[in-house]
Amino acid sequence: DIQMTQSPSSLSASIGDTVALTCRASQTISVYVNWYQVKPGKAPKLLMYIASKLQSGVPSRFSGSGSGTDFTLTISSLQPEDSATYYCQQSYTSPHNFGQGTKLEI
Amino acid sequence: EVQLVQSATEFKKPRESLRISCQASGYSFTNFWIGWVRQVPGKGLDWLGITNPRDFDTRYNPSFRAQVTISADESTNTAFLHWNTLEVSDSGRYYCARLPELGAGFDAWGQGTLVTVSS
Repeated sequence: DIQMTQSPSSLSASIGDTVALTCRASQTISVYVNWYQVKPGKAPKLLMYIASKLQSGVPSRFSGSGSGTDFTLTISSLQPEDSATYYCQQSYTSPHNFGQGTKLEI
Repeated sequence: EVQLVQSATEFKKPRESLRISCQASGYSFTNFWIGWVRQVPGKGLDWLGITNPRDFDTRYNPSFRAQVTISADESTNTAFLHWNTLEVSDSGRYYCARLPELGAGFDAWGQGTLVTVSS
């Protein structure tokens, strides 16, 4: 199985900041990474797919990059509603494992 | 509007069986894969598997293959997650989610079904 490792496990930032969340795959996965936002009591929400494609309806201050084994989710102009846990997921091969998550506090 | 509506909270005892459901609406059911994801508080997200309602191609996470069965019924636009024998460790919130194609991400999610297994 491919393992996904996210860093940091948690971070605190201020409104208006830009943050970068990283995700590393245990083997090369081309660009097959997705990013989700999870808030308490809510279903996960897809933010980015295939590394850099913005899901419909997601603000453009979210962006994704990377290929191979290293990937980044960047959130610019942080807003209070961005407080959440963010998960990466590889969709290169089954099982499509998730990372362990990064908890972002604003 | 795409909707995935899941069945209600379940309280079960160890060794009991269980089937939870996910009814889809607002899109062509057989044009998308359906998957299941478990969320355990403090433990993140687990990918259990996916199924294609068109041809019943089903992919499992080997870590869960012994415990669960994933299926879909095209006639009712419903996906199912089934356990023959529940264990306490199966407790968690289970989400169904729509997958547009292999390689993509889950773009629509159900509201989740809370499963509690306790003696």
